Amino acid sequence: DAGVTQSPTHLIKTRGQQVTLRCSPKSGHDTVSWYQQALGQGPQFIFQYYEEEERQRGNFPDRFSGHQFPNYSSELNVNALLLGDSALYLCASSPTSLRETQYFGPGTRLLVL
Amino acid sequence: AQSVSQHNHHVILSEAASLELGCNYSYGGTVNLFWYVQYPGQHLQLLLKYFSGDPLVKGIKGFEAEFIKSKFSFNLRKPSVQWSDTAEYFCAVTLRNFNKFYFGSGTKLNVKP
Repeated sequence: DAGVTQSPTHLIKTRGQQVTLRCSPKSGHDTVSWYQQALGQGPQFIFQYYEEEERQRGNFPDRFSGHQFPNYSSELNVNALLLGDSALYLCASSPTSLRETQYFGPGTRLLVL
Repeated sequence: AQSVSQHNHHVILSEAASLELGCNYSYGGTVNLFWYVQYPGQHLQLLLKYFSGDPLVKGIKGFEAEFIKSKFSFNLRKPSVQWSDTAEYFCAVTLRNFNKFYFGSGTKLNVKP
């Protein structure tokens, strides 16, 4: 049983560019959450998707957007990249009935130059 | 705004020493509480969680945590650490019926053999 997978593992972009990160949830999980983890910090909640809709959102600007597909996989899009967007982006999945039980993926490390 | 505080940023212990990592949160309502661990090069993994009931929660690998509601605390303990416990530990909180996780900034534990 594959766990949560994320792609790509690493990414380098320049300021102003746009980036798309991808996440496949653990089998049987229909809820996907995204987090940003800056160096030396804990993960910060970006948003959560369920039934292809954004259900919860943290304190992130509209430059951060997402999508969930019918197969429950998800994408995180960040527009107009800033240097401060450099971080590890984590995806976590959970089943509807136990939404507090989140399983994390390995993350995508984004570097903005 | 809700917040989670982990006051110990870096802890160094010798093997067989006892461990206690502090976690305090700021929210007056009903919460779910978690400890996650990230071993070097690995994903975030759930150590233990508290939803309700007995405030002393036992997790994997001999870890336990005690929820003290009056102190808004959920400290992690282990009677005797091993070198393999070297990792970064994160406390997290969700508000009951919401799925937005709030993480602390993490505590890096270094256990000397």
